Amino acid sequence: SQELEQSPQSLIVQEGKNLTINCTSSKTLYGLYWYKQKYGEGLIFLMMLQKGGEEKSHEKITAKLDEKKQQSSLHITASQPSHAGTYLCGATNAGGTSYGKLTFGQGTILTVHP
Amino acid sequence: GAVVSQHPSWVICKSGTSVKIECRSLDFQATTMFWYRQFPKQSLMLMATSNEGSKATYEQGVEKDKFLINHASLTLSTLTVTSAHPEDSSFYICSATVQHNEQFFGPGTRLTVL
Repeated sequence: SQELEQSPQSLIVQEGKNLTINCTSSKTLYGLYWYKQKYGEGLIFLMMLQKGGEEKSHEKITAKLDEKKQQSSLHITASQPSHAGTYLCGATNAGGTSYGKLTFGQGTILTVHP
Repeated sequence: GAVVSQHPSWVICKSGTSVKIECRSLDFQATTMFWYRQFPKQSLMLMATSNEGSKATYEQGVEKDKFLINHASLTLSTLTVTSAHPEDSSFYICSATVQHNEQFFGPGTRLTVL
C-alpha cells in the first residue's frame, strides 16, 4: 500500500513568515491532494496536482509536485493566523482496486502567532 | 463548490446501542462515497468505499458486520455502527466523488460511546 510521510509534524511560525510543508510518497503518485482541517471539522480542499512538475497557487498558498511524482510541497507566503490548522496531503493510486481511494499523510499542525 | 453534509454532527450513545450516520451530497450526484475514521491527533483512515446500488468494499481490518454501509441513492450513504463500544468513539468523516475526481468531504460526525 502507498504510504505518505509528511514533514514537519508540527510547525510554529510568527505571522508574516513563510513556511513549507513536505509530503513524500513511497510510490509514484497518481493524484496528490492538499487539504486543511480545523480541529473537529471536515477537510477543506486546497489543491490537486497530477502532472510531474506541476505547480498551482491560490492566494498565498502554492503547491508543487516534483517531476518524479513522489514528492509534493505546500508553501505559504506571509502566513496569517487564519492559516493555522492541520494540513493533510492525500494521494490516490492509478488503478486497480485502489482506484479513487485516498491515503493520507499523518498531517502537519501549523500554529501562527500574531 | 460541491457540498457534502453529514448528520448528526455529534452523537453520544450508550454502549451496546447502534448509531446511524448519514452522508449526503447536496448539489451533485456522487458515484462513490468514502467513509473515514479519525482518532484524536491522528490522520484519516479509510474504512470503506461505497458505490450506489452495490455492496461496500471494506478496508482490511474493518468489520463489515459492525460498520454497516448502505448507499441507497446517488446522494445518500449511511454508516451504521452496530453495538457500539467505547473504542468506537471517533470522528467519522465521509467524502463524495464523481468519477473518482476531486473528493468533497463532509464536516464529520463525532461519536462518543459511553
